[in-house]
Amino acid sequence: NAGVTQTPKFQVLKTGQSMTLQCAQDMNHEYMSWYRQDPGMGLRLIHYSVGAGITDQGEVPNGYNVSRSTTEDFPLRLLSAAPSQTSVYFCASSYKDRAPNYGYTFGSGTRLTVV
Amino acid sequence: AQSVAQPEDQVNVAEGNPLTVKCTYSVSGNPYLFWYVQYPNRGLQFLLKYITGDNLVKGSYGFEAEFNKSQTSFHLKKPSALVSDSALYFCAVRRSSGTYKYIFGTGTRLKVLA
Repeated sequence: NAGVTQTPKFQVLKTGQSMTLQCAQDMNHEYMSWYRQDPGMGLRLIHYSVGAGITDQGEVPNGYNVSRSTTEDFPLRLLSAAPSQTSVYFCASSYKDRAPNYGYTFGSGTRLTVV
Repeated sequence: AQSVAQPEDQVNVAEGNPLTVKCTYSVSGNPYLFWYVQYPNRGLQFLLKYITGDNLVKGSYGFEAEFNKSQTSFHLKKPSALVSDSALYFCAVRRSSGTYKYIFGTGTRLKVLA
């Protein structure tokens, strides 16, 4: 089925560890983004990309890196995990020029706990 | 800067009654406005959008929303609530030009009581 695939679904990290959250879409969407969802704070944009080789920062980029080497993949790297990064992470994608007409397609999320 | 406000953390409504979930926004230029719904342990699902044209837009599952430019609001409505509508609802805004960034509100939990 076409859509946005996130892996893993759950992850527990120790403080200071690094890891990569994977996101892949098979809809040929140019625009991809990462959000974190925290209680009472809604979804906050971490990083986004408007195409392969192009990335930019969102509202809360510190502690995270991204790259976009292909249209399909947009991994999110945690450089040195901190308890404040405990959250649910969502990847989302859409067409760029037609984005308003289609809205976002969201992945099912990655629940990350940092201890 | 773009921002979205959802002033109610939770809305309770009896099944069969009309429901309204409020959203106000701030954006320079013309806005693109969206509503998404999130069921437990799931990602967000697109409900409806306002891009241009008719101020009343209709979406999935019988929901509709009214764009009010003078009040900078985009409230979500449904004439008759169902228990299955109970979920977390998010409003989002994007500028019509210059950026592809979507900004989300903090969410409103809708609880429909049988």
